[in-house]
Amino acid sequence: QSVLTQPPSVSGAPGQRVTISCTGSSSNIGAGYDVHWYQQLPGTAPKLLIYGNRNRPSGVPDRFSGSKSGTSASLAITGLQAEDEADYYCQSYDSSLSNSGVLFGGGTKLTVL
Amino acid sequence: QVQLQESGPGLVKPSQTLSLTCTVSGDSISGGYYWTWIRQHPGKGLEWIGYIYYSGSTYYRPSLRSRATISLDTSNNQFSLKLSFVTAADTAMYFCARVSGHSGYGDYWGQGTLVTVSS
Repeated sequence: QSVLTQPPSVSGAPGQRVTISCTGSSSNIGAGYDVHWYQQLPGTAPKLLIYGNRNRPSGVPDRFSGSKSGTSASLAITGLQAEDEADYYCQSYDSSLSNSGVLFGGGTKLTVL
Repeated sequence: QVQLQESGPGLVKPSQTLSLTCTVSGDSISGGYYWTWIRQHPGKGLEWIGYIYYSGSTYYRPSLRSRATISLDTSNNQFSLKLSFVTAADTAMYFCARVSGHSGYGDYWGQGTLVTVSS
């Protein structure tokens, strides 16, 4: 079980808005570490979608946005498109003795209805 | 354009050592990033294995620390992963990535290489 908790799946119709949550704790997100988001299409490597909680790399549409508050973060996708169907992962860092290092959430499968 | 490419055996026998290399082009591994190994078990999520800073400092996932070794080969602009005493639970897709900062993000990734542990 991942220390960063994501919903296993979310879905939405084309054009709709969906959000994916990433819940951590006081030793990771709550400790002030940044949250980053990745999109993984089937059979491909993860692609950086959001870095530093809310920043988009060049080429990522502004339909994707990130936010962070307390011990949680969220990825929002507006104007849902069929091509957005993929797995999404949040990532942060943990400073606890048992989990120290880079952390990934368990992943969320987005289905476009 | 920065590119990373994993290479190594696709099949490793149980109890042996898994050895993978990541060749980096378009950037120098001496340039200040954290060169990272991440794996993904079939049908599962991403799991950080560890990384090496350009200075040679290494950091590992606590559960793999006793079996994993990451090293730099600056002359060939490569970095490597060795994972000893492998079992079927180490069967996974292995990715290398460039990570910006100790708690940073992976901005460039290799395509991944599947390693199966089986006799």
